[in-house]
Amino acid sequence: AQSVSQHNHHVILSEAASLELGCNYSYGGTVNLFWYVQYPGQHLQLLLKYFSGDPLVKGIKGFEAEFIKSKFSFNLRKPSVQWSDTAEYFCAVNEELAGKSTFGDGTTLTVKP
Amino acid sequence: DGGITQSPKYLFRKEGQNVTLSCEQNLNHDAMYWYRQDPGQGLRLIYYSQIVNDFQKGDIAEGYSVSREKKESFPLTVTSAQKNPTAFYLCASSNRRTSGSYEQYFGPGTRLTVT
Repeated sequence: AQSVSQHNHHVILSEAASLELGCNYSYGGTVNLFWYVQYPGQHLQLLLKYFSGDPLVKGIKGFEAEFIKSKFSFNLRKPSVQWSDTAEYFCAVNEELAGKSTFGDGTTLTVKP
Repeated sequence: DGGITQSPKYLFRKEGQNVTLSCEQNLNHDAMYWYRQDPGQGLRLIYYSQIVNDFQKGDIAEGYSVSREKKESFPLTVTSAQKNPTAFYLCASSNRRTSGSYEQYFGPGTRLTVT
């Protein structure tokens, strides 16, 4: 069965620090990859996604992620975080055409002003 | 405007009672999903449905049941057989793109407390 690992459960950063959240998955075939974000009191929403093509994908609010197939990874990055980035971040993986996603356990990001 | 509605936002039940959580979408999506979210455990898939009148068990289906009689509705029943039903329940929907991706749209969730 597919598994998704998010290595950091809770990350605390100061504003303007750089962010990288790790995500690794187990499935060796073709995958679709997603990062979702849940801001306090808001719905879970899509941050960015990868289907195919350029392995470096850009999402909303200055976030980007890089798909490295050889490492089964899809790490999320942001060069300079803001207090408003405080949220819970989830990595999710679809085996292509599987019809369902497997989610990681989530990483809580706290940005100190 | 389009979206997913879940009701109620908070639900309280006594142990031994079945309870049904509502999920409705007006996005015209084919697929719908139910997840359970517990602190530190991410989202765990309970049931999903890719088409009307069909659904599949997810990773933690025991003690839950669903129906998919209409495209826009996917109610979840938490039965008395579910040993630890207190949790935050999220409903989602998606449409299959030509690429095969299943980007999901989520509702606001229902927090169920069973005492």
